[in-house]
Amino acid sequence: DTAVSQTPKYLVTQMGNDKSIKCEQNLGHDTMYWYKQDSKKFLKIMFSYNNKELIINETVPNRFSPKSPDKAHLNLHINSLELGDSAVYFCASSLYGGEQFFGPGTRLTVL
Amino acid sequence: SQQGEEDPQALSIQEGENATMNCSYKTSINNLQWYRQNSGRGLVHLILIRSNEREKHSGRLRVTLDTSKKSSSLLITASRAADTASYFCATARMDTGRRALTFGSGTRLQVQP
Repeated sequence: DTAVSQTPKYLVTQMGNDKSIKCEQNLGHDTMYWYKQDSKKFLKIMFSYNNKELIINETVPNRFSPKSPDKAHLNLHINSLELGDSAVYFCASSLYGGEQFFGPGTRLTVL
Repeated sequence: SQQGEEDPQALSIQEGENATMNCSYKTSINNLQWYRQNSGRGLVHLILIRSNEREKHSGRLRVTLDTSKKSSSLLITASRAADTASYFCATARMDTGRRALTFGSGTRLQVQP
């Protein structure tokens, strides 16, 4: 059973398009996150939700909009995609700030 | 700037040898965690050490934490080819209610069979 799942695994799209990435966790965790890993492997927090409430928004362009319909889901919608958005996006979850469980990642390529 | 810098950036050793990776950070922390990332995969949690702990063991892993120097080390003993991966330290800050982790730049470990 997959603990944290993301879809799609790969996403190739043109500049200017709008796309969404979905994340689901079945661990009963109360906090979910989106991280971005760039080509140099730097991982940076983008958003964090606790019990469906946004608690972290790390200076991410407002083209990125997270949505948490319930505690088990955290989706990421990106408007007007730019070349610099190409990266691997990881969803993660945790229980009250403990160890984080990561999804397999979504590799986004913007052409 | 990156909170959590790892040293070395890359490490190549022979199977059976020990691998030591170091991590430095800048702010006060609640805990420090180590993660492993295999190529093309997500991160896997290895071990968590709290700010009031100095050393922790888990199987072949040994982690130390020196809060006065704001540094940590991860030792993998008797390495195996399957340990080949990137290793990241991550800090949970004291002011985190935020709960997010700040990751270091990672150490790429290559274990030659």
